Amino acid sequence: LAKTTQPISMDSYEGQEVNITCSHNNIATNDYITWYQQFPSQGPRFIIQGYKTKVTNEVASLFIPADRKSSTLSLPRVSLSDTAVYYCLVGPRILISSGSARQLTFGSGTQLTVLP
Amino acid sequence: NAGVTQTPKFRVLKTGQSMTLLCAQDMNHEYMYWYRQDPGMGLRLIHYSVGEGTTAKGEVPDGYNVSRLKKQNFLLGLESAAPSQTSVYFCASSSYGPNGTGHYAKNIQYFGAGTRLSVL
Repeated sequence: LAKTTQPISMDSYEGQEVNITCSHNNIATNDYITWYQQFPSQGPRFIIQGYKTKVTNEVASLFIPADRKSSTLSLPRVSLSDTAVYYCLVGPRILISSGSARQLTFGSGTQLTVLP
Repeated sequence: NAGVTQTPKFRVLKTGQSMTLLCAQDMNHEYMYWYRQDPGMGLRLIHYSVGEGTTAKGEVPDGYNVSRLKKQNFLLGLESAAPSQTSVYFCASSSYGPNGTGHYAKNIQYFGAGTRLSVL
């Protein structure tokens, strides 16, 4: 399994940039890296996905080094509403019914608290 | 657009009782998943399905069974509930490949709101 490791918690202040790193030393060639955000009493929701180098969308950037053994989610200018748990998920895009989804490994998540 | 709907939202069981959790999605997704979430442990995959009529084991399948008789529904069953199955259960669905709208789905999972289950 592509085990992932994230910091348990992080604090930041409004308006700052936040970088959350996920370690995935055993990532497989066909694995992608996907980040999700979860608020209390809700299911996770998608933030960003990437395979290598840098990906950017309207809410975040994802940096993946050449060896792909880690990834960093970057949230620009956070606000109080960004307080949530952030998970990285490493696994293949295409699933087959022979146990490949065992490789869908969520990290334990990082509790981000944004302070005023 | 409802997305992924889970029923029930809450349930309390006694040890040894059985129950079925229902997940329904209206996005025509091929893939569906059941996760459990325990404090400090993130989400762990119980079972998943890559299409109607197919199911497969995830990371923690023991004590659970699933069925996917219709593409839009994925059922999770507990035949004999145990206190260790007290958890929050999340269902998700996703798709990969051309989605008929000119876009390429990237296996992004859409989650339901969760079912909080307590086994006494």
